[in-house]
Amino acid sequence: GAGVSQSPSNKVTEKGKDVELRCDPISGHTALYWYRQSLGQGLEFLIYFQGNSAPDKSGLPSDRFSAERTGGSVSTLTIQRTQQEDSAVYLCASSFNPGLGGETQYFGPGTRLLVL
Amino acid sequence: QKEVEQDPGPLSVPEGAIVSLNCTYSNSAFQYFMWYRQYSRKGPELLMYTYSSGNKEDGRFTAQVDKSSKYISLFIRDSQPSDSATYLCAMSGDKIIFGKGTRLHILP
Repeated sequence: GAGVSQSPSNKVTEKGKDVELRCDPISGHTALYWYRQSLGQGLEFLIYFQGNSAPDKSGLPSDRFSAERTGGSVSTLTIQRTQQEDSAVYLCASSFNPGLGGETQYFGPGTRLLVL
Repeated sequence: QKEVEQDPGPLSVPEGAIVSLNCTYSNSAFQYFMWYRQYSRKGPELLMYTYSSGNKEDGRFTAQVDKSSKYISLFIRDSQPSDSATYLCAMSGDKIIFGKGTRLHILP
């Protein structure tokens, strides 16, 4: 694949339902990042994976949010019991080397989540 | 004080003008400074990346970092309508922090 892909591109759900967002990083990239982008709020860091482990989960806003990565590739971000304030664009990025400093991150197009 | 401050705009300038986009920050531990461009309904893409203070030029784009003032800038020369997008500054040390982004409109 040429770049980072995310699915679904759009998701509308009802308050209280669970949602799963998927990210396919660029092949060979060991680091994977999840961000949330709300209108006028910029990019909010959620979680970072190196391989299958998550050294930094500090950005997850509550215990309703979880993420996993399997096989050092695909990652899934799960939001349980969704709330209206969870509505945002969820962006995934990957980079060749781990670490948050000085490494080019390549972003996917995002999943637009709307919680009614 | 927020770690990174960026004026959200929108900033509207005529085609051909020089554009200046800026961010200030408070964390002196930041070492890497980046500018991302984000078109509507797309993910951000890296435009410029600098390490420490100084200038870096790439075509019509120049990134400037002044660590003593904790101030970074992105200049766009000969601006084009295709430059219309949201520009996000980002900086990192042990973690990466993004600005909220400035919406830029280049008027043909």
